Amino acid sequence: GAVVSQHPSWVICKSGTSVKIECRSLDFQATTMFWYRQFPKQSLMLMATSNEGSKATYEQGVEKDKFLINHASLTLSTLTVTSAHPEDSSFYICSARGSQSTGEAFFGQGTRLTVV
Amino acid sequence: DAKTTQPTSMDCAEGRAANLPCNHSTISGNEYVYWYRQIHSQGPQYIIHGLKNNETNEMASLIITEDRKSSTLILPHATLRDTAVYYCIVSRTGGFKTIFGAGTRLFVKA
Repeated sequence: GAVVSQHPSWVICKSGTSVKIECRSLDFQATTMFWYRQFPKQSLMLMATSNEGSKATYEQGVEKDKFLINHASLTLSTLTVTSAHPEDSSFYICSARGSQSTGEAFFGQGTRLTVV
Repeated sequence: DAKTTQPTSMDCAEGRAANLPCNHSTISGNEYVYWYRQIHSQGPQYIIHGLKNNETNEMASLIITEDRKSSTLILPHATLRDTAVYYCIVSRTGGFKTIFGAGTRLFVKA
């Protein structure tokens, strides 16, 4: 199956700093990538959708200036959490879909962000 | 995209078949049924998807009713490692989003 690699797996940062999370499709070209966040005991919540070379489309209530998404190539998307605060602590997950797919998406292993 | 309804949780004995139901009574003709699962503290894993016909792969079988208003994911011989939250999602293909509901928490017991 298609492989999506997400890095880092976990990160601890201080309040006010920025954190970058990378998402790479290893064996296919990801025309569309998605970013989710997940709080404990809850389901995944879609944050934004990005297509290669285009600006990301953010879901309602997600601050685009706080969660910067870049999808500069067909194999790499990044999420930068800017000026992180403790309430941004969460499990962040990316997924990718290729142009050849019939809608199925493949997910990274997730990044656990803790802001102290 | 059509909404889905799944039981909150289910138990299954190790080695037995796990049958996970999903209702999607408002599904449209061009919408597929997708199944994913999420093992604790990991990213979701794609399992299988289908449009009308039953599908089978190395992980599971997907049975879709003739009217397409419901489906069942079958894990033929459940193992302890199949304990996870299983998500049934109905969506069109192409650039459409994958939106997760609450899913079914499957507990496989020894």
